[in-house]
Amino acid sequence: DAGVTQSPTHLIKTRGQQVTLRCSPKSGHDTVSWYQQALGQGPQFIFQYYEEEERQRGNFPDRFSGHQFPNYSSELNVNALLLGDSALYLCASSSGLAGGFTYEQYFGPGTRLTVT
Amino acid sequence: TQLLEQSPQFLSIQEGENLTVYCNSSSVFSSLQWYRQEPGEGPVLLVTVVTGGEVKKLKRLTFQFGDARKDSSLHITAAQPGDTGLYLCAGAHNDMRFGAGTRLTVKP
Repeated sequence: DAGVTQSPTHLIKTRGQQVTLRCSPKSGHDTVSWYQQALGQGPQFIFQYYEEEERQRGNFPDRFSGHQFPNYSSELNVNALLLGDSALYLCASSSGLAGGFTYEQYFGPGTRLTVT
Repeated sequence: TQLLEQSPQFLSIQEGENLTVYCNSSSVFSSLQWYRQEPGEGPVLLVTVVTGGEVKKLKRLTFQFGDARKDSSLHITAAQPGDTGLYLCAGAHNDMRFGAGTRLTVKP
C-alpha cells in the first residue's frame, strides 16, 4: 500500500516564475492538505481540498492556488515566485468526515523548492 | 507566526535519560497531534489527543493534553538514540497550526 507520494523531489526556479507541485494521497484517503515548511520552522497550513473543492485556507496570498482531481490527487500552484517561497512543501492526506483535522494525517516526503 | 510555542527549542541528552517537551498556546484546540520528523522526510504522526486531561502512552512515550485543551506535553522515558528527531505539536481548530518544534538529540 503506497503512502503519500509527491513530485518532484527537488525543484529550482527563478524569481517571477510559476511552479506546480503534485501529490498523490494514501490509498483510501479523500482529503489533501498542503503545508509550507521554511527552514527551522514548523509546517504552515496553506489549504485543504476535499471533493475537488478548497475547504479551508491558511494565511497565504492568492499566488498560491490548488486543485484536486477526481482520483483525489492534488496540485499546488505558486505564481510569481518570490525568494521567500523557498521551502519544503508538504502534502498530507486524511480521510473521514469531510476532511477536517481531527483524523490522522499522513505526510509525504515533500518537495524542496529553491527560488533563486 | 507560530501560535503554538514549543519548549525547549533544542535538547541534547544522553541515552537512558528522561525528558519532557512542552507545547503551549492561548488558543483552545479541538484536538492536538504530535509528530516526529527526520531530515528529508515528512512528519510522522505519533498520537492524537482530543479530550481535555487525556493521557496516551505509546511504549516509552507519554502524551498529555491539558484540561483546557490549550497545551500538551510529551514525556520520553529512557531515551534512545533512535528517538532523535524534530518533535512537532499541531493543534486543530478551523485549520491546523504547528509549533516550530523541539529538536531532540540522544547521544549513545
